[in-house]
Amino acid sequence: SAVISQKPSRDICQRGTSLTIQCQVDSQVTMMFWYRQQPGQSLTLIATANQGSEATYESGFVIDKFPISRPNLTFSTLTVSNMSPEDSSIYLCSVRGTATNYGYTFGSGTRLTVV
Amino acid sequence: QKEVEQDPGPLSVPEGAIVSLNCTYSNSAFQYFMWYRQYSRKGPELLMYTYSSGNKEDGRFTAQVDKSSKYISLFIRDSQPSDSATYLCAPYSSASKIIFGSGTRLSIRP
Repeated sequence: SAVISQKPSRDICQRGTSLTIQCQVDSQVTMMFWYRQQPGQSLTLIATANQGSEATYESGFVIDKFPISRPNLTFSTLTVSNMSPEDSSIYLCSVRGTATNYGYTFGSGTRLTVV
Repeated sequence: QKEVEQDPGPLSVPEGAIVSLNCTYSNSAFQYFMWYRQYSRKGPELLMYTYSSGNKEDGRFTAQVDKSSKYISLFIRDSQPSDSATYLCAPYSSASKIIFGSGTRLSIRP
C-alpha cells in the first residue's frame, strides 16, 4: 500500500491565521482525500482532490475556508483559512488502494489547535 | 437513520478475552467492508478488509460480513494490551464514498 507523509504533525495557531498542511504520497494516485476528525469523533470527508481539476467539496465545506491544491499526482495541500477555535481538529489525507488492495491509506494526521 | 452505526463504547475487557466489535449499515450497495485501528494521536491504519459476505481471518483477527442483515463484525482472539485502540468500521461501494463508523474505543486490561 501507499506510504503517505503528512506535515506538520501538529501546530498551535492563533485565531484568524491560516495553516497549510502538506501531503506527499510515494506513488502516483488519481484522487487524494482530505478528512477532518474532531475530538472524540469519527472521520468526516472535507473534499476530494483530483490532479488537474478543482477539488470537490462535501456539504458543509467550502473552498474559501479550505482551499486545496493538487499540483501533481503525488502531492496535495489543504489550507485551513481564517481559523477559529472550532477548527481545532485532526486533519488527515488519504488515498484509495489499488485494484488488488481496496483499503484506503491514511497519513499520520495534523493535530491543529487554534487558540 | 445513519448510514453506518457503531457502538462507541468504551469497551474494557481483560487480556486474553475474545472481543467482538460490531457495525450495522443501511446501504445495500456497499460491497467492501473495512476495519481500521486508530491508536491515540495517530492516523487510522487499515486492519482488515473483506469483499461481499463471508469471513476473513488474519492471525488473531476475524472480519465477518452478513449482507443479508447488513451487519459487520470484527473479532479479536487472545486480546492483548497492544490491541487497545479505537476501531472504526468503514463500508463502501465502487460508486460511493467510504463511510466511517463513529468508532469503538477498546481497552484491554493486563
